[in-house]
Amino acid sequence: AQKVTQAQTEISVVEKEDVTLDCVYETRDTTYYLFWYKQPPSGELVFLIRRNSFDEQNEISGRYSWNFQKSTSSFNFTITASQVVDSAVYFCALSGSNTGNQFYFGTGTSLTVIP
Amino acid sequence: KAGVTQTPRYLIKTRGQQVTLSCSPISGHRSVSWYQQTPGQGLQFLFEYFSETQRNKGNFPGRFSGRQFSNSRSEMNVSTLELGDSALYLCASSDTTRDSYRQGFFGPGTRLTVL
Repeated sequence: AQKVTQAQTEISVVEKEDVTLDCVYETRDTTYYLFWYKQPPSGELVFLIRRNSFDEQNEISGRYSWNFQKSTSSFNFTITASQVVDSAVYFCALSGSNTGNQFYFGTGTSLTVIP
Repeated sequence: KAGVTQTPRYLIKTRGQQVTLSCSPISGHRSVSWYQQTPGQGLQFLFEYFSETQRNKGNFPGRFSGRQFSNSRSEMNVSTLELGDSALYLCASSDTTRDSYRQGFFGPGTRLTVL
């Protein structure tokens, strides 16, 4: 069974603070893919990152960074020096090797950045 | 390349009616998957189509159906609408020519309201 847990339902931070969004996943597949998506109020899901299960290298993209740890089945997302434009709902998702392009989404974390 | 387009963007129907939603994937993408997003259930996978064939199906009643055409455009149909079908319906387009390109590009969604 595939499952993604985002325990943080809502987070509020003051602008310029760092914030980490947690994601824990469950899968029996040896090959799988993890994703983060951003959903602004407009509703469209915006792709942020994909990580393959065989690549545990962490990644940094500007103010965004991702920490993938297979040992703890976690794929956490950190925003450094948050900005008001970062306010959105963030979803972590999992796709197995044998389930085509079916994504299993977490329940999302609503991030509010206060100016 | 143009992004994923979904039509219509908004739809209001009454109970018992049926509805058809359309999704045009990114040019060259052959996989289209559909998701239902509601406040209570979150993002749930409906089905995936690849090369005009349904490849995966989520746990939804038979009232929800879909199809894909030879140009990869996809439609989903919901018959005998219920109040609980009110949701944002998102479709995702994926390039599956190589597994390393597995990634979902989402459209803006169709917001369906059932009265």
